Amino acid sequence: EIVLTQSPATLSLSPGERATLCCRASQSVSSYLDWYQQKPGQAPRLLIYDASNRATGIPARFSGSGSGTDFTLTISSLEPEDFAVYYCQQRSNWPRTFGQGTKVEIK
Amino acid sequence: EVQLVESGGGLVQPGGSLRLSCAASGFTFSNYEMNWVRQAPGKGLEWVSYISRSGSSKYYADSVKGRLTTSRDNAKNSLFLQMDSLRAEDTAVYYCAGQYMVRGVIINDYWGQGTLVTVSS
Repeated sequence: EIVLTQSPATLSLSPGERATLCCRASQSVSSYLDWYQQKPGQAPRLLIYDASNRATGIPARFSGSGSGTDFTLTISSLEPEDFAVYYCQQRSNWPRTFGQGTKVEIK
Repeated sequence: EVQLVESGGGLVQPGGSLRLSCAASGFTFSNYEMNWVRQAPGKGLEWVSYISRSGSSKYYADSVKGRLTTSRDNAKNSLFLQMDSLRAEDTAVYYCAGQYMVRGVIINDYWGQGTLVTVSS
């Protein structure tokens, strides 16, 4: 099973700041790495698929990069609605696996 | 309006069974690959199972293999999760999620609001 490790566990930032979230895989997942956002009491929402492609309707301030084992989700300038928990998920191998999540909180 | 609505959750004793359903509307269900994902209270996301568009391919997390079974009925726009030999660690909100993919590109990704399963005596 591929283990995804996200860092940091918590990111404390102010609106307008840049957020950089990391996801490291225990073995190569090529570019089959997706990012999800989850707000309290809500279902997850797909932000980025295949490492760098924004999903339908996702604002341009969200971007993804990386391949192989190291991936990054960047939020260029945090909006109030971006404070949430973010998960990476690999679709390279079965079973699919998620990272443990990074909480982006208001500083 | 696109909707995925889960039902069938509730309280069940350890060793018991439960059958979850996910009703799809507003899109062509048979075109979507479907997954179950769960989230224990206060914890992160855990992928549970996958079923292909035709239902011919299925995959499971090791933690549920042999106890949970996914199926679908495309004629009734429905996805199911049969849960047997339930354990306390199966307690979670269960989400159904669907993806429409064309040549590896995710065109749409839809999630339900989840149904809570509590395994306790």
